[in-house]
Amino acid sequence: DGGITQSPKYLFRKEGQNVTLSCEQNLNHDAMYWYRQDPGQGLRLIYYSQIVNDFQKGDIAEGYSVSREKKESFPLTVTSAQKNPTAFYLCASSTGLAGAADEQFFGPGTRLTVL
Amino acid sequence: SQKIEQNSEALNIQEGKTATLTCNYTNYSPAYLQWYRQDPGRGPVFLLLIRENEKEKRKERLKVTFDTTLKQSLFHITASQPADSATYLCALVKSGSARQLTFGSGTQLTVLP
Repeated sequence: DGGITQSPKYLFRKEGQNVTLSCEQNLNHDAMYWYRQDPGQGLRLIYYSQIVNDFQKGDIAEGYSVSREKKESFPLTVTSAQKNPTAFYLCASSTGLAGAADEQFFGPGTRLTVL
Repeated sequence: SQKIEQNSEALNIQEGKTATLTCNYTNYSPAYLQWYRQDPGRGPVFLLLIRENEKEKRKERLKVTFDTTLKQSLFHITASQPADSATYLCALVKSGSARQLTFGSGTQLTVLP
């Protein structure tokens, strides 16, 4: 089955620690995205990548980092510089075809709690 | 600044009725608008897309309208069922980007049996 997987589903971190969230897709999509969702709010874009070895900052990139070394993988690192990291993190992908009104396919999410 | 507003945080309706959700936007000229469904603790699922030159789009019991003059999209679910209970998100293409979406905060719909 094609889809997007995120791991782990729940993650606990102590203050001051970096943590990496995994996102893998087997849809052969070029574009991948990371969003953050807080209770009662919409999704806010952290980073996105339109092609391997390239990524762009979204609206709330401070305190986060990403890499895109493989087409199918787009890990997100939440660094200790992120002041309020407790949130629900969602990874998504789309075909990335130029001019396409891409629907985005989402993973199941990772709920990060900072203790 | 660019802003997307969805009509209310929560909407309760009786089973069998039509649910109507609203998405209003300001300072956008979106090429298209998308609607997603999100269940608690899960990622959103794409439902429908409507382009700026389309007035209406239908898919089974779902209908979306797009009025670029009013800067508004309406999302209708006809013959609603308890299984339709979820949060519904609208999303617009961000200005200057072909694929970067900006999401509204969502409307939580509850269909009462």
